Amino acid sequence: IAGITQAPTSQILAAGRRMTLRCTQDMRHNAMYWYRQDLGLGLRLIHYSNTAGTTGKGEVPDGYSVSRANTDDFPLTLASAVPSQTSVYFCASSDQRGGIDTQYFGPGTRLTVL
Amino acid sequence: GQNIDQPTEMTATEGAIVQINCTYQTSGFNGLFWYQQHAGEAPTFLSYNVLDGLEEKGRFSSFLSRSKGYSYLLLKELQMKDSASYLCAVVDSNYQLIWGAGTKLIIKP
Repeated sequence: IAGITQAPTSQILAAGRRMTLRCTQDMRHNAMYWYRQDLGLGLRLIHYSNTAGTTGKGEVPDGYSVSRANTDDFPLTLASAVPSQTSVYFCASSDQRGGIDTQYFGPGTRLTVL
Repeated sequence: GQNIDQPTEMTATEGAIVQINCTYQTSGFNGLFWYQQHAGEAPTFLSYNVLDGLEEKGRFSSFLSRSKGYSYLLLKELQMKDSASYLCAVVDSNYQLIWGAGTKLIIKP
């Protein structure tokens, strides 16, 4: 693994189903983030984690939950998917202990909820 | 509210120069990022400005004026591979990134 990986690459999901998007990084970054990207809108922060064991809500947290059991993994769960959650989801990480807190992104998961 | 404005789309010619503007109104300011995003791919870091002035990095330069709430990304000697979306993002007072919707740059031969 080099950088950040996300799984699955894409998924079609029936409304009401539960879904977990996986994110793993091997850079030992302390901070991790989940964004959604929709056409015509900027990246919107769903949840974040500044360090293992802690999480926080971003701009659009409703309908999503996260956990951060260790440094490397930051899964995003949709408890009961709805069509408005159709989007491209990006996971990112950053090393807040350094100078510039640059975020590095995974390749994304394209999710369609029908 | 917090707001980042960028043009939706721009077109330029291969070999030319293009300037992509970004204006912002945010609660606090702790720096501004520019990212490049090719279609279907992840955003990748281009530049970071926290002080006023011009930062040059090869063919790409980024400028910041904090008093005007304004930044631009300057791309020189355009190549076809520069066709992408360019995202402006501001670090607010809570150290969260506020993202613009991005500018889609189309390069024509």
